[in-house]
Amino acid sequence: NAGVMQNPRHLVRRRGQEARLRCSPMKGHSHVYWYRQLPEEGLKFMVYLQKENIIDESGMPKERFSAEFPKEGPSILRIQQVVRGDSAAYFCASSPLLGQGLRETQYFGPGTRLLVL
Amino acid sequence: KNEVEQSPQNLTAQEGEFITINCSYSVGISALHWLQQHPGGGIVSLFMLSSGKKKHGRLIATINIQEKHSSLHITASHPRDSAVYICAVVGGGSNYKLTFGKGTLLTVNP
Repeated sequence: NAGVMQNPRHLVRRRGQEARLRCSPMKGHSHVYWYRQLPEEGLKFMVYLQKENIIDESGMPKERFSAEFPKEGPSILRIQQVVRGDSAAYFCASSPLLGQGLRETQYFGPGTRLLVL
Repeated sequence: KNEVEQSPQNLTAQEGEFITINCSYSVGISALHWLQQHPGGGIVSLFMLSSGKKKHGRLIATINIQEKHSSLHITASHPRDSAVYICAVVGGGSNYKLTFGKGTLLTVNP
C-alpha cells in the first residue's frame, strides 16, 4: 500500500509564476490536509479537503492560494504569482473517513520544497 | 504565546542515553500526535494518543490530560534517532486540525 505521494519534491519558480503542488492520498483515504512549513518556523495548517469539497480553508492566505481535491486525480495546491515569502516546504497528509467524533492518524507525504527566486 | 510549547528546543545526547522531550499545551484537546522529521525529509507519525501511555519499540509516549502535558521518551538512543521531533495537538472543538509545536532537534552522537 503506497504512502502519501507528493510531486514534485522540489520546485523552483521565479517571482510572478504559478506553482502547482500535487498530493495523492493513501489508497482508501478520502481526506486531505495541506500544511506549510516556513523556514525556521513550525508547521501550520492550511486547508482540509474531502473529494470535491473544501471543508476548512481557515489557514489559507486570502489571496493567490487555492486548493482542490477533484473526484478523480490528486489534490492540487495552487499558488498564483508566487513571491519570495512563499518559499517553504508544503506537506500534504491524508486520513481515512472520519466517523462522528472519531480521530484518525494523519499520514504525511514527503513534502514539496518550493523555492521562489 | 504558542499554544503548543516544546522543550528543549535542542538536545544533544550520547548513544545509549535515555531521552525525554516534553510538550505542553494550553488548549483543550481531543488528541496529541508525536511526529518525526529528518533533515530535508518527510514527516512520520510516531504516536497519536488521547490518554495514558503508548509504546512502540524504543519509543514511549505519555500524556497527562489534567496537566496538559505529554512526554516522548527514547530508550537506548541511537544516532539514527537524530531528527526533529514535533508535538501536535488536535483541539478547539476540531477533530482534525493540528496545531504544531516548533519541534525539538535531537542529535545523538556515537
